[in-house]
Amino acid sequence: AQKVTQAQTEISVVEKEDVTLDCVYETRDTTYYLFWYKQPPSGELVFLIRRNSFDEQNEISGRYSWNFQKSTSSFNFTITASQVVDSAVYFCALSGIVTGGGNKLTFGTGTQLKVEL
Amino acid sequence: DAGVIQSPRHEVTEMGQEVTLRCKPISGHNSLFWYRQTMMRGLELLIYFNNNVPIDDSGMPEDRFSAKMPNASFSTLKIQPSEPRDSAVYFCASSPPGLRETQYFGPGTRLLVL
Repeated sequence: AQKVTQAQTEISVVEKEDVTLDCVYETRDTTYYLFWYKQPPSGELVFLIRRNSFDEQNEISGRYSWNFQKSTSSFNFTITASQVVDSAVYFCALSGIVTGGGNKLTFGTGTQLKVEL
Repeated sequence: DAGVIQSPRHEVTEMGQEVTLRCKPISGHNSLFWYRQTMMRGLELLIYFNNNVPIDDSGMPEDRFSAKMPNASFSTLKIQPSEPRDSAVYFCASSPPGLRETQYFGPGTRLLVL
């Protein structure tokens, strides 16, 4: 069975601090994808990143960076110099075994990030 | 390009009434997903379609829920009769052809059953 664990329920930081959101996953698949989504207070789910299990290179996009470590089954997300606009719930997700086509995601429970002035 | 479109954005209804939620996936996408989000249960996959065919409906709570995808550009999720415990945000998502592709979510429908 697939599982995604986001142990941090809520994190509060002061603006400009760096913050890391943890994600640990379990899967028996040898090929899989990992995702991060952002859900701001307005409620929509915004795609942030998709990472292939064969690609362990860290990725950086502006103030966002992702650290994928297969050895520890982790896919952590760091926001550098956090801003109030980063306040949101962040979800980590894992792609599932595909039968009949398509893609089935298993989501973590989310981490609520609050960035205060 | 337009993203996933959902309607209505908000729905308030009384227990026992029929509710129909609608979704238009992104053009060219061939997989469509219905999710439900509540505080207690988080994000739950209800059903997903591939090429208009239901692939996995194991997440559909009970017979009161039904979903259809009559063509590649439209899907409905129907609840009949609705109950207060169905109150939630219902998301539709779509993804392009291919394995393990990214799912793009609509803005959601916030349903309140009184």
